[in-house]
Amino acid sequence: QSVLTQPPSASGTPGQRVTISCSGSTSNIGSNYVFWYHQVPGTAPKLLIHVNNQRPLGVPDRFSGSKSGTSASLAISGLRSEDEADYYCAAWDDSLSGPVFGGGTKLTVL
Amino acid sequence: QVQLVQSEAEVKNPGASVKVSCKSSGYTFTSYSITWVRQAPGQGLEWMGRISPYSGHTEYAQKVQGRVTMSTDTSTSTVYMELRSLRSDDAAVYFCARGERTFDYWGQGTVVTVSS
Repeated sequence: QSVLTQPPSASGTPGQRVTISCSGSTSNIGSNYVFWYHQVPGTAPKLLIHVNNQRPLGVPDRFSGSKSGTSASLAISGLRSEDEADYYCAAWDDSLSGPVFGGGTKLTVL
Repeated sequence: QVQLVQSEAEVKNPGASVKVSCKSSGYTFTSYSITWVRQAPGQGLEWMGRISPYSGHTEYAQKVQGRVTMSTDTSTSTVYMELRSLRSDDAAVYFCARGERTFDYWGQGTVVTVSS
């Protein structure tokens, strides 16, 4: 069981806006930054969002992150077929002294 | 450009050990920790631990504590992760990633198969 809770799946049609939620606790999301990674099956994860809502260079502004209390969410607007991937949230956990991940959300573009 | 290149896939018997390497290039090796994350088939990401190439300091996840050793070779900018007493549930893709909390660059992954 993952420490952070994500829905196992999400879907949308091209051009739509979808959001993926991530729920944690006071020891992780509630007191630390949230990160989002996306992973095309068979490849390594890639950093998508860091420090709750910052995009690394090269990540389109269609991707945005937010955090409130012990929950966070990733929003993808103007959905495109190439956005099909698995999305993972992550945060440092003070109790475990290490990062924890969500179980991942498989995004399907219909 | 920053690159992390991992060693090739391994097939091991239960009870054996595996040592995976992660060679860094394109940045100052001692300036960033290297973290190891694994992913069992069809599963999510699991933190295993990290090592500071600058100090050699390590932190391990409780689940693998006692069976894992991470080490560095600064002369070749390479980090190693050795996992001992392999079990069937250690079968996974093992990734190295740059950083301690923000993982901005990842290796390509090393498949470790545990089978008799």
